[in-house]
Amino acid sequence: KNQVEQSPQSLIILEGKNCTLQCNYTVSPFSNLRWYKQDTGRGPVSLTIMTFSENTKSNGRYTATLDADTKQSSLHITASQLSDSASYICVVSAGSNYQLIWGAGTKLIIKP
Amino acid sequence: EAQVTQNPRYLITVTGKKLTVTCSQNMNHEYMSWYRQDPGLGLRQIYYSMNVEVTDKGDVPEGYKVSRKEKRNFPLILESPSPNQTSLYFCASTSLDRGTGSPLHFGNGTRLTVT
Repeated sequence: KNQVEQSPQSLIILEGKNCTLQCNYTVSPFSNLRWYKQDTGRGPVSLTIMTFSENTKSNGRYTATLDADTKQSSLHITASQLSDSASYICVVSAGSNYQLIWGAGTKLIIKP
Repeated sequence: EAQVTQNPRYLITVTGKKLTVTCSQNMNHEYMSWYRQDPGLGLRQIYYSMNVEVTDKGDVPEGYKVSRKEKRNFPLILESPSPNQTSLYFCASTSLDRGTGSPLHFGNGTRLTVT
């Protein structure tokens, strides 16, 4: 069964600190892996899309990694800001018909 | 401004009263989709459309209908809403120019309460 699991479920850190969110997946056939940021009550916004051959991809202070062998991805946030408080969702695209498998998300809270 | 517009943002209704949530995108995207989001669960796909007049079921289609008569619009119809359809609904669209490599663009959501 195609599945995406994220950890931790929630995380609280102080402003300015770094953090890493984890994503493990069992999806076949793998097409790409995405990270979305979702503010409370708003639609998700795309941060990165990574294909099988990409190990690392950055978007400002966000850096995503992908290990296709172990089927793991991480999202690293550097020098966190209050505006980073949100849910971060890992999504894996399966096959060629735009089937997306969504993780439940990690809720990140940045405290001043 | 490129955007996906959903209406209404909030909707309270009673069991059995038919309703429609509208979704419109101005980016000429082929692909459109509806999701629902419930606390503690990931987004679950209700229906999707790869192009005009082409729709297909997602993971949780029961109790919902959609239509795609025009490229820009993809309304979600609840013929006889029930309390278990109380949820936060999102419409999304994307271009299929890069196969499955394009990001989804989401609307701001419709919070539906069925009493």
